[in-house]
Amino acid sequence: DAGITQSPRHKVTETGTPVTLRCHQTENHRYMYWYRQDPGHGLRLIHYSYGVKDTDKGEVSDGYSVSRSKTEDFLLTLESATSSQTSVYFCAIGTSGDYEQYFGPGTRLTVT
Amino acid sequence: QQQVKQSPQSLIVQKGGISIINCAYENTAFDYFPWYQQFPGKGPALLIAIRPDVSEKKEGRFTISFNKSAKQFSLHIMDSQPGDSATYFCAASTDSNTGKLIFGQGTTLQVKP
Repeated sequence: DAGITQSPRHKVTETGTPVTLRCHQTENHRYMYWYRQDPGHGLRLIHYSYGVKDTDKGEVSDGYSVSRSKTEDFLLTLESATSSQTSVYFCAIGTSGDYEQYFGPGTRLTVT
Repeated sequence: QQQVKQSPQSLIVQKGGISIINCAYENTAFDYFPWYQQFPGKGPALLIAIRPDVSEKKEGRFTISFNKSAKQFSLHIMDSQPGDSATYFCAASTDSNTGKLIFGQGTTLQVKP
């Protein structure tokens, strides 16, 4: 998986609790992305980062925040988890000026 | 206008047959069209990609056909094998600075032995 790890790999949490997912890369790639994957919707971009402390919203950013304090780490936080955020979350990395993205193994999140 | 519509949702093909997955888009500014392959429990991986200045690109048994006037592109898998059973996503992008991709809904392919 191109030097990308995600943690945790599985998580079950209750509605209203905060959740943080971590993406860690060893490739020194500038760009990092968070997607969610749901049946019938493909992969939808939540947030992305184009450098340390530089982030921007994707198409489904409501209810999510991100932070990137180091090149290698990109955190996705659900401030108050809802059942609609039950999904599989993927992190991806990419280089500037190149469309190719490398995906991590995913985190399966269940909000009860 | 940013959508990429993918069909069919699922596909069953006999071993040795041809698998065809189609995608359509509206935004004529898209300039990169990749296909990703995803096996169960894994993240998607780039399979093959095309830019709109060519009408076809072939890599082994996988071919992308691109029809700029119809705003459609398709993935053909020749001599389909059970190991090709996976979910396939088309995508498109118009922003090489950020590399942001718009994905289709996905097609689950099953190749029967």
